[in-house]
Order: sequence, then C-alpha cells, then structure tokens
Amino acid sequence: KAGVTQTPRYLIKTRGQQVTLSCSPISGHRSVSWYQQTPGQGLQFLFEYFSETQRNKGNFPGRFSGRQFSNSRSEMNVSTLELGDSALYLCASSLDGTGSYEQYFGPGTRLTVT
Amino acid sequence: GNSVTQMEGPVTLSEEAFLTINCTYTATGYPSLFWYVQYPGEGLQLLLKATKADDKGSNKGFEATYRKETTSFHLEKGSVQVSDSAVYFCALSTSGSARQLTFGSGTQLTVLP
Repeated sequence: KAGVTQTPRYLIKTRGQQVTLSCSPISGHRSVSWYQQTPGQGLQFLFEYFSETQRNKGNFPGRFSGRQFSNSRSEMNVSTLELGDSALYLCASSLDGTGSYEQYFGPGTRLTVT
Repeated sequence: GNSVTQMEGPVTLSEEAFLTINCTYTATGYPSLFWYVQYPGEGLQLLLKATKADDKGSNKGFEATYRKETTSFHLEKGSVQVSDSAVYFCALSTSGSARQLTFGSGTQLTVLP
C-alpha cells in the first residue's frame, strides 16, 4: 500500500506571496492532519480534516488554512507569507474512528520564505 | 493542557551500547503514547505505541512501557546500531474530539561505529 505523499517536496517563496501544499493520504484513510516543524518551536499541530470538515485546529493565525476533498486528499494554504513560515510542513493520515489515532506521516514539504 | 517532556540531547553512543531516552508526559484523560523516529531529510515514522497503562510497545529491538504511576514512556534498546542514528520523538494523543499529537522536543541520537 502506498504511503502518504506530499507535493511539492521543496518550495521557495518570497515574503508576501501565498503557497499551497498538497497531501494524499494512505488509501482508505479518512483523516488528514498537518503539522509544522521548525528548529525553534519543534512540531506543532496546525489542523485536522475528516470527511471534508475541519475537526480540530491548532494555535496558528488565520493565514494558515486548509481543506479536504471527497477523495480525502488535502491541501493547506498559507497566505501573505512571512519569513517565520519557513519550515518543514508534514502531513499525516489515519484511519480514524475508534482506536489509538495512530498517524502515518509523509516526507514533508520544505518551505523556504525569502 | 497536554505536554511531553523529553530528555535533552544530543546523545552519542558507541555501537552495541544500551540506549535509554526518557519521556514524561502531562495529559488530561487517558492518552495513547507513541515514539516516532525521523531520519535525515525524511518525515516521521511510527516506531512503537502503547494505548493503556502497563502496555509495552516494541519494534525493531526498541521497547517502551506505559507507566501511568510515573507518567512516563521511556524508550530503550539493548544494543544500538549505526543505522539507529536519527531524531526520536515521544508523543501523545488523547481521545475525544482533540485528535492531535502533542510532541516532545526530540532527541538526536548518534551511534558511532
């Protein structure tokens, strides 16, 4: 079974621009979560989507948004990029429902804002 | 709120040495506990998990036991290899609507031949 895929793997943007990152979950997984990883703040939860609905949101400004499509694929968007948005953005999928909420991560998208 | 505290790194060991990485947590309710590993340039891989008190998670020679009385989930391996060099993250999630992982700060492990 294919793992979680993320595109693009690397991205360079200029301050003030916007960016869209894509995530395809493991087949059959209905929940997709996004995390930001930086050297200073570590791994921080952005949001989670299930059945095209945002079910949970972390403590990030409104510039960070996301959505999920009917095939469970998800996108996240960051508008008005700031230098501090440079990070590795990780997507994770899980079956959801009952259980231990085991999440499987993709390789990440490395975003650099200049 | 939930939090995870991990042993400060980096940790450097010789091949075949014994490894312990300490992890303690604070959580409301009854969390599930995880160890993830991140190799250079890659995402996180689930290493092992435990979902209730006294459960022992194990995988690839690594083990961790869910200790509710000490709120700990320490990672151990009896004999490390060079290929174990990576960053290790302890994490928890709680049941209910807040389906998110809370991570520790990560511990960099380097194993020397």
